[in-house]
Amino acid sequence: QSVLTQPPSVSGAPGQRITISCAGTSSNIGAGYDVHWYRQLPGTAPELLIYAYNTRPSGVPDRFSGSRSGTSASLAITGLQAEDEADFYCQSYDSSLSGYVFGTGTRVTVL
Amino acid sequence: EVRLVESGGGLIRPGGSLRLSCAASGFTVIGNHMNWVRQAPGKGLEWVSVIYSDGGTSYADSVKGRFTVSREYPKNTLDLQMNNLRVEDTAVYYCVRDPGRLGTHYYYYYMDVWGKGTTVTVSS
Repeated sequence: QSVLTQPPSVSGAPGQRITISCAGTSSNIGAGYDVHWYRQLPGTAPELLIYAYNTRPSGVPDRFSGSRSGTSASLAITGLQAEDEADFYCQSYDSSLSGYVFGTGTRVTVL
Repeated sequence: EVRLVESGGGLIRPGGSLRLSCAASGFTVIGNHMNWVRQAPGKGLEWVSVIYSDGGTSYADSVKGRFTVSREYPKNTLDLQMNNLRVEDTAVYYCVRDPGRLGTHYYYYYMDVWGKGTTVTVSS
């Protein structure tokens, strides 16, 4: 069950900037729990892209950035590249569920 | 090298039981929060369970009372005992590490190391 809502798909031309939204509630993002982002390339396991809203693990390019506003968060990808075609998921913690929650997932297509 | 390798998946009939195992290397299971996350065919990610570094556990409502997560210290493994399996439990099951880092008010609760997954198919 996904309690974080993302748009099903986002597309952009090479070089463009796109954003993916992640809408939460008062028991997860609104309660102060951090939001993290994962990228899943076709046929592979997800990988951590950003944690604690806007911290990139080693090796993740600065084309990827995150932000938060109230009970929502966003992932921005600048300088879109063909290799960015993947599924992206946000994730947080939910105090009412006492567990981790994922977003519904967004497929990014490079036109 | 930090690594997670899952095993134990397979084809099982509804109502049956299966035990998944995850072997960790490069770090200790007992020193981190360890999760199981699953992904049904063509669907998104679903968190299944966690065993925290202090030994506490938590489960998604969809598996509560049927699944049990555990860890073995000398073997450095994470296990998931799955009972009374249902068709809707069909998925790739990932073993995932949460490093248990503390933020300003809470743990960050993020997942930094993922296994490649093991496939569980529940079908008659």
